[in-house]
Amino acid sequence: GAVVSQHPSRVICKSGTSVKIECRSLDFQATTMFWYRQFPKQSLMLMATSNEGSKATYEQGVEKDKFLINHASLTLSTLTVTSAHPEDSSFYICSKTSGGAFNEQFFGPGTRLTVL
Amino acid sequence: QQQVKQSPQSLIVQKGGISIINCAYENTAFDYFPWYQQFPGKGPALLIAIRPDVSEKKEGRFTISFNKSAKQFSLHIMDSQPGDSATYFCAASRGEKKGFKTIFGAGTRLFVKA
Repeated sequence: GAVVSQHPSRVICKSGTSVKIECRSLDFQATTMFWYRQFPKQSLMLMATSNEGSKATYEQGVEKDKFLINHASLTLSTLTVTSAHPEDSSFYICSKTSGGAFNEQFFGPGTRLTVL
Repeated sequence: QQQVKQSPQSLIVQKGGISIINCAYENTAFDYFPWYQQFPGKGPALLIAIRPDVSEKKEGRFTISFNKSAKQFSLHIMDSQPGDSATYFCAASRGEKKGFKTIFGAGTRLFVKA
């Protein structure tokens, strides 16, 4: 069964509003989770690494003030897109690793964000 | 050094045929090479993965061939079925001890004709 869930699966919002996306680890605790963005017909681009109890690590070019990440518990990480604009419309996917030597990644089902 | 090059961009195969997708990496620090399958509107799902000390791994109809010296690896889907139609991503990953990182290829859209 699924080990990572996301909510909501789809969200439509008006330009200028903020949207929160939740990512939950369903089986075991995840001290580290990852947030990806995927534009249509493109690959996954890592946005940031979410660390439980500490600040997220953002990839180069990703605005940390626009994409707020909170990892307040060992099973929940949230991504808030602040002051969303149409260019933020994308498919947002979170993941976690299995731990161990090779760190198999488990992805959530994704959240389709449409900003009008 | 961080790129993973994937080809072809798209692939059309007849039902029952063999689908072959190729990837090449540059950084020898990667030590785990997974393939993910993604259906439209869904998150990627791990299909099969290989370690660099193995030259081939087979799981059902899916086989990874790995050439460490050439820094290349490929996915073979035998007896391709319409249900295999999806986007496939190769990736190169480095474990946590070295600082976890995964680089994805650009993806291959596979269409299997019935």
